[in-house]
Amino acid sequence: DTGVSQDPRHKITKRGQNVTFRCDPISEHNRLYWYRQTLGQGPEFLTYFQNEAQLEKSRLLSDRFSAERPKGSFSTLEIQRTEQGDSAMYLCASSRIPQGKEAFFGQGTRLTVV
Amino acid sequence: DAKTTQPPSMDCAEGRAANLPCNHSTISGNEYVYWYRQIHSQGPQYIIHGLKNNETNEMASLIITEDRKSSTLILPHATLRDTAVYYCIVRVLDGNTPLVFGKGTRLSVIA
Repeated sequence: DTGVSQDPRHKITKRGQNVTFRCDPISEHNRLYWYRQTLGQGPEFLTYFQNEAQLEKSRLLSDRFSAERPKGSFSTLEIQRTEQGDSAMYLCASSRIPQGKEAFFGQGTRLTVV
Repeated sequence: DAKTTQPPSMDCAEGRAANLPCNHSTISGNEYVYWYRQIHSQGPQYIIHGLKNNETNEMASLIITEDRKSSTLILPHATLRDTAVYYCIVRVLDGNTPLVFGKGTRLSVIA
């Protein structure tokens, strides 16, 4: 399967710990997005990359959050000093600009902070 | 903030057409209407998009009113596997605007 892959699928961590998630986009997709989704809500945009450049960050992305896409392929999202409010599903999506019109989403990483 | 309004939930009998409405009264001339759906515990899945003409693909049909202030997603023969949250999104097709999701419509297909 050559869809968007996210790892891990589930993560349980203690409050105050750091966590890192990985996203592998569809090959040759130059645009990569991160979203966060809490129960009962639609996905909320966090940030996106064009190749290795981070082009936009939402105000939801506090200074405890950092995202990278060092070689324009896979991306990582790190959360430092996790809080219970960080518990959510973290979704990654990729698309190809300008040809592609739709974004393809991964299965997400479900984070639980205890 | 999302620029669309959708009913929070709908039911549909299996085998019947599911018609999901969406209001987007403030849509701009260069904004497209997109539909995605999210099946439980999965990431959102693209369904269809359109500008002003009606569109059809293997999954669904999209009917956009002439004034473009509302649209309807039609699943012609709903199955139990179509049970999901359906999101209607308007966005400019410039490649620089991320998808902005609202709360969507939770469609329950009933046997």
